[in-house]
Amino acid sequence: GAGVSQSPRYKVAKRGQDVALRCDPISGHVSLFWYQQALGQGPEFLTYFQNEAQLDKSGLPSDRFFAERPEGSVSTLKIQRTQQEDSAVYLCASSSREGTYEQYFGPGTRLTVT
Amino acid sequence: AQSVTQLGSHVSVSEGALVLLRCNYSSSVPPYLFWYVQYPNQGLQLLLKYTSAATLVKGINGFEAEFKKSETSFHLTKPSAHMSDAAEYFCAVIIPYGNNRLAFGKGNQVVVIP
Repeated sequence: GAGVSQSPRYKVAKRGQDVALRCDPISGHVSLFWYQQALGQGPEFLTYFQNEAQLDKSGLPSDRFFAERPEGSVSTLKIQRTQQEDSAVYLCASSSREGTYEQYFGPGTRLTVT
Repeated sequence: AQSVTQLGSHVSVSEGALVLLRCNYSSSVPPYLFWYVQYPNQGLQLLLKYTSAATLVKGINGFEAEFKKSETSFHLTKPSAHMSDAAEYFCAVIIPYGNNRLAFGKGNQVVVIP
């Protein structure tokens, strides 16, 4: 079966532009996570959905970051008025409900803000 | 909050030699622990996981790790390095029935010397 997919794989944005990053989780996975990975660092948690409910958004770095998952499947991470410090790889992961806590990661979207 | 520490960002190992990557965790309750591998321009792939069953865990590609509660460690080993092991390795911790977020270490970039 297909794994987690993300699009676009690469995005270059001018400072101040809005961007939208898409994540397609593994079919049937109820949990979806977004992480931010800065260059040379480990991924950092951004937000978590269970079905369409956003249960934790405490990792979002500012109110310019917004995530949604309206039908409990595909998710979009939106960044408004991008800044240079937003340059990073954005990883999406999904997990089934069975309690193994095993998260399956997509290839990521590399965002470069110029 | 849970956290992990990985020391030594770059690790060089000769082909055929032992691979040892150290991970120490901090958690107020018994955690679940994971090792992920990341190849260039790819997402994270799960190598192995500890979820409170056997303390010696075997994973893919000949890797294994041992959970030692007394040392709060979960070091990753492989008896004989292969050129294909060159990648970045991340240790991560999660609190079962907790906040559902993985907390990652900074990672180890492994270089295999022929």
